[in-house]
Amino acid sequence: EVQLVESGGGLVQPGGSLRLSCAASGFIVSSNSMSWVRQAPGTGLEWVSVIYSGGSTYYSDSVKGRFTISRDTSKNTLYLQLNSLRVEDTAVYFCARSVPGSYYFDYWGQGTLVTVSS
Amino acid sequence: QSALTQPASVSGSPGQSITISCTGTSSDVGGYNYVSWYQHHPGKVPKLIIYDVSNRPSGLSNRFSGSKSGNTASLTISGLQAEDEATYYCSSSTSTNTPGLFGTGTTVTVL
Repeated sequence: EVQLVESGGGLVQPGGSLRLSCAASGFIVSSNSMSWVRQAPGTGLEWVSVIYSGGSTYYSDSVKGRFTISRDTSKNTLYLQLNSLRVEDTAVYFCARSVPGSYYFDYWGQGTLVTVSS
Repeated sequence: QSALTQPASVSGSPGQSITISCTGTSSDVGGYNYVSWYQHHPGKVPKLIIYDVSNRPSGLSNRFSGSKSGNTASLTISGLQAEDEATYYCSSSTSTNTPGLFGTGTTVTVL
């Protein structure tokens, strides 16, 4: 059974850092495309970043240069390093899987809340 | 890149059909057959209901169908049921090789 479990969210001050984790089971993270998607309070879904099976990474303009996506094959885990956090980064962050060659998200984690506030 | 445009809300009575539109540009919706749709109940995980414009995941009700014409994709829910009340998001790949340009979201209300 495919499962994605996020962790690492919490309260952080503006300018601070946080690392989110997404532990996967039932499939191999490095053989798939993995994305982070966020939802700020009262707003819609926003794609944040993707790491393809080949290792290429892409970011939305709103987080480019501040966030870094990575994966650990030995732990079958996806990460998102959040630096220089802003109030507007406050959101529930979901990890999501896309099978190779596809651009849809077939499995999602339950999400982890990141709150940026002083 | 700006979010894809969806109507803020759509409503219908039980048993009726409703259609949600998703408008983009030739650089996303119009340029690729990679439009997907998600159903999102508050506090729950988004659920894939349509992928690659018109395909349904295995086991999903055939009351959900998708289509595309030009730069606009559409999701139709037929035989509307109370459990269909949720927010629906479209998503498209883009010319920048990124997978998930989402729509603004449409709240469906069953009257």
